[in-house]
Amino acid sequence: DTGVSQDPRHKITKRGQNVTFRCDPISEHNRLYWYRQTLGQGPEFLTYFQNEAQLEKSRLLSDRFSAERPKGSFSTLEIQRTEQGDSAMYLCASSLQSGNTEAFFGQGTRLTVV
Amino acid sequence: DQQVKQNSPSLSVQEGRISILNCDYTNSMFDYFLWYKKYPAEGPTFLISISSIKDKNEDGRFTVFLNKSAKHLSLHIVPSQPGDSAVYFCAASARTGANSKLTFGKGITLSVRP
Repeated sequence: DTGVSQDPRHKITKRGQNVTFRCDPISEHNRLYWYRQTLGQGPEFLTYFQNEAQLEKSRLLSDRFSAERPKGSFSTLEIQRTEQGDSAMYLCASSLQSGNTEAFFGQGTRLTVV
Repeated sequence: DQQVKQNSPSLSVQEGRISILNCDYTNSMFDYFLWYKKYPAEGPTFLISISSIKDKNEDGRFTVFLNKSAKHLSLHIVPSQPGDSAVYFCAASARTGANSKLTFGKGITLSVRP
């Protein structure tokens, strides 16, 4: 399978716990994005990497959120001290850098904070 | 502030007929537009895109039309099939920036009746 892979698919956690999600992009893609989708909304941009550099973070990304992409390959998104409002689908996407290129999405990680 | 608007939350059409999904945008910097299809518990799947230098792009049963002066685009599906039943998201990006992040609308739920 050469698509974008996300792990885990589902995560249920208690409020206040930390969670970490992983994204493996398409191998030749140097751009990687994290989005969050809540019920009835479209995906909302969280952060963006070009290779290993995190170049932009949305104001939606509070200081409890941190993302990394070591070595420009896979990426992790960590949420510390989870809150019920963090419950959402977290989507990862990757794309090539140049030209008219679309972003390819993974299947997402569904987070439920109880 | 919704920069990409999909004002109709749902659409129901008969199998074999045309489905027309509409999308409006407000940001004049957007120059690349995409449509994604999403099934429940899955990530968005890329369907078709159009650059602002064009007014039409066709791929099989799917055609996207862009009216820059009206800041409006539409997706036509002909003929519609039951398997097309899904949520459709319109997305836009401003590729002149270093970050080609996508701004999504809220989505339209398409139901194709057999």
